[in-house]
Amino acid sequence: ELKVEQNPLFLSMQEGKNYTIYCNYSTTSDRLYWYRQDPGKSLESLFVLLSNGAVKQEGRLMASLDTKARLSTLHITAAVHDLSATYFCAVDKSGNEKLTFGTGTRLTIIP
Amino acid sequence: GAGVSQSPSNKVTEKGKDVELRCDPISGHTALYWYRQSLGQGLEFLIYFQGNSAPDKSGLPSDRFSAERTGGSVSTLTIQRTQQEDSAVYLCASSYGLAGVNTGELFFGEGSRLTVL
Repeated sequence: ELKVEQNPLFLSMQEGKNYTIYCNYSTTSDRLYWYRQDPGKSLESLFVLLSNGAVKQEGRLMASLDTKARLSTLHITAAVHDLSATYFCAVDKSGNEKLTFGTGTRLTIIP
Repeated sequence: GAGVSQSPSNKVTEKGKDVELRCDPISGHTALYWYRQSLGQGLEFLIYFQGNSAPDKSGLPSDRFSAERTGGSVSTLTIQRTQQEDSAVYLCASSYGLAGVNTGELFFGEGSRLTVL
């Protein structure tokens, strides 16, 4: 059974600081996704990572994938308040067409 | 419509009643998914459709839960004899599936919040 773990579960950080959220998964996969969820809202797709070594960047967020280590990271640079949200990673066990989600990281940016 | 549409957005029901939740996927998406998100929890997979068939029903928590999809489009998730533990947000998502270049990226609706009293 595929397990997806994120850490930390909760992260409170000051504006302007950098931090990294980690996503580990338990079985072979080369497809990983990051989503953002604001309170009371649905999930918004942030990044699609489809191969080992993939790196994607959008604004202050950068995501990477290391399929050998079964690890993805979401790096936040110079955090701003509007990045406050819950971030989920999700893994597609190859060919399964079904995403297994991590537990989420609730990020709070403090002014 | 431009996005995945779900209805109702909120449903309050009494224990033991049946409920139906509806999902209208993005036009052209052949794959449709139902997930459940309980308060403060992650997303739990329920069922997946490719076209009208459901190759993976493994996530349905009990035989009180069923889903169908007709015409390769709209899907209905039915919960019979609702229990309090069924209270959650039910999220529907769609993707291109086998319809073309598919990155596996899911596009989610706003969800249906179910409260069972």
